[in-house]
Amino acid sequence: DTEVTQTPKHLVMGMTNKKSLKCEQHMGHRAMYWYKQKAKKPPELMFVYSYEKLSINESVPSRFSPECPNSSLLNLHLHALQPEDSALYLCASSHPTYGGDTQYFGPGTRLTVL
Amino acid sequence: GQNIDQPTEMTATEGAIVQINCTYQTSGFNGLFWYQQHAGEAPTFLSYNVLDGLEEKGRFSSFLSRSKGYSYLLLKELQMKDSASYLCAVRSGYSSASKIIFGSGTRLSIRP
Repeated sequence: DTEVTQTPKHLVMGMTNKKSLKCEQHMGHRAMYWYKQKAKKPPELMFVYSYEKLSINESVPSRFSPECPNSSLLNLHLHALQPEDSALYLCASSHPTYGGDTQYFGPGTRLTVL
Repeated sequence: GQNIDQPTEMTATEGAIVQINCTYQTSGFNGLFWYQQHAGEAPTFLSYNVLDGLEEKGRFSSFLSRSKGYSYLLLKELQMKDSASYLCAVRSGYSSASKIIFGSGTRLSIRP
């Protein structure tokens, strides 16, 4: 099973809303990632969690707040977003010691900020 | 810094062979990945190279030359469903949960 699941698939929110994106994997992977992808652009790394600790934050604005409650779950809390934050948000996971630390992606959440 | 270059677009014919090149510059190189991404979908893993040489997996092969900072993805017996973007991604560093940087992707169109 190489499946990473993400919910919701689509999300529309206003600039004053608070919402959360969820990601789950049951492959025993110990690293999890959030990426942001705009149309016709490559994925851009936002955050990396390794063994449930935040190890990389790519200078992401504080209106994005990640959380890793356990080794299978990764959340991204959203607050006071801007229209330019509209994008596809991808979660990925990997096992640091197997297969070259290959990252497997979830289907993404398509976010629209009005 | 890091830099990854690949052609923006390519076109090929169904049943033919196409080679997508990727050149990169990075410090602490620790592996190169190829992903396929259909429009509106997530990237799916195709191949991984960390040593020089050719890795073959069915219709897809990937080659790496670390001294030249060069890789290619070879797709054989092209099918219409191969129309997608192909992303070259490079990992640098050796810590757990290392970071990979994606190239801009090559949009491949297959014509009948």
